[in-house]
Amino acid sequence: ILNVEQSPQSLHVQEGDSTNFTCSFPSSNFYALHWYRWETAKSPEALFVMTLNGDEKKKGRISATLNTKEGYSYLYIKGSQPEDSATYLCAFLTTDSWGKLQFGAGTQVVVTP
Amino acid sequence: SQTIHQWPATLVQPVGSPLSLECTVEGTSNPNLYWYRQAAGRGLQLLFYSVGIGQISSEVPQNLSASRPQDRQFILSSKKLLLSDSGFYLCAWIWGLNTEAFFGQGTRLTVV
Repeated sequence: ILNVEQSPQSLHVQEGDSTNFTCSFPSSNFYALHWYRWETAKSPEALFVMTLNGDEKKKGRISATLNTKEGYSYLYIKGSQPEDSATYLCAFLTTDSWGKLQFGAGTQVVVTP
Repeated sequence: SQTIHQWPATLVQPVGSPLSLECTVEGTSNPNLYWYRQAAGRGLQLLFYSVGIGQISSEVPQNLSASRPQDRQFILSSKKLLLSDSGFYLCAWIWGLNTEAFFGQGTRLTVV
C-alpha cells in the first residue's frame, strides 16, 4: 500500500519555464524524506535527503522544501532544460517501520525545447 | 568507495520456472538492503527490505521471497514464476537512514 502520493503524475514544460510538483506523505512518525531523479535506462540518483521541518535544499536549478507537520514536500525546477527530463521520485522513512524506504509513483517531467 | 552489483541485467523465463536475482554491495558494512519492482507505468514498489543478516521484512505477500545470507548480499527468489512477475527489479542500499540510497543497474525480467 502506497502511503506516499506524488502529483501530478506527469507534466510538460517549455524550456526556460520553471515548474514544481508535490510529494505528500503521512505526517505521523516522520523520519526522513528523499528525492530522486530517474532517467530512462539509468538507475535512480539521489537529489536530496531532508529530515527537519522547514528544511530547504538546493542543487543547481533544483530545490526542495519540506513540511513535516502537514506532510508534504515540493520540488522546484527553475529555468527547465531538456536535460531535466526525467521521473522524479520521492521516498520517505518513518520511525515506526524502521528501515522501510517507501517510494511514490513519481512525477514524469518532459521539457521541450 | 562503495559499489553495488546486481545481475543479471535481463532475463527471460518461462512461467513456472524458478528465479534467483542477486545483489551485492562492496565497500561498506551492515547496510540496509532493498528490493523494488517497477511494473509497467508505475513507480517503485517495495518488495523486501533487510536491516541486518537474516532479517527480512516482506511488503508484498506473493510468490517471491528474499534472503540475506551474508552482510552485503541480498537475493530475490521465486520457486515458480507467474506472468505478473514481469517487470524491472532494482536492488538498493543505504548506510544510515539519513543518507541517500544507491541503486543497482536493475534486472529486466520477462516471464513468458
